[in-house]
Amino acid sequence: GAGVSQTPSNKVTEKGKYVELRCDPISGHTALYWYRQSLGQGPEFLIYFQGTGAADDSGLPNDRFFAVRPEGSVSTLKIQRTERGDSAVYLCASSWGSKGPRRPETQYFGPGTRLLVL
Amino acid sequence: DQQVKQNSPSLSVQEGRISILNCDYTNSMFDYFLWYKKYPAEGPTFLISISSIKDKNEDGRFTVFLNKSAKHLSLHIVPSQPGDSAVYFCAASARGSNYKLTFGKGTLLTVNP
Repeated sequence: GAGVSQTPSNKVTEKGKYVELRCDPISGHTALYWYRQSLGQGPEFLIYFQGTGAADDSGLPNDRFFAVRPEGSVSTLKIQRTERGDSAVYLCASSWGSKGPRRPETQYFGPGTRLLVL
Repeated sequence: DQQVKQNSPSLSVQEGRISILNCDYTNSMFDYFLWYKKYPAEGPTFLISISSIKDKNEDGRFTVFLNKSAKHLSLHIVPSQPGDSAVYFCAASARGSNYKLTFGKGTLLTVNP
């Protein structure tokens, strides 16, 4: 079946601009996660959705970052007033959640959006 | 502080030999561990996992070993193949943490023909 998809695959923007990154999870997965991977680092947790609600946003670095999942499927990560330090690969992952056939920790990742802020 | 550490940035092995990738952790609340493989310009791909109630899990050429007392896990790949060349990430999840994963920095494995 189709995996997690993310658009755009690459995004170049200027400092101070607003960007939106989209994630389409695996069909049937109730849990959705956003991570950020900087050069030479592993992915770092940003936010977790169970259904439509953000169950854990403890990884968001500041209030310029916001994410939504209005219908419990597609999610959008929004970054306001972008800064050069926001440049990274933004990864989305989905999983079955606590009631699925596999452990909820087993997350399936999309290809990422490479964001470059000039 | 880094809770999951992969101290070897890179590893090179010959095709057909064993590859051993190591991972150490500091958080005693971690109770589930996963290995992911990542090719350039792709997202991480789930490989194998292990619960803290086990000390070994095997899936084909891949075996993960967990030593809880040492807070250490390792991934063994036997036999190694050139297609295994990728960055390998160790990840851990803590009970009560909403299943979010904490990753190491990764180890670049190169399997030479």
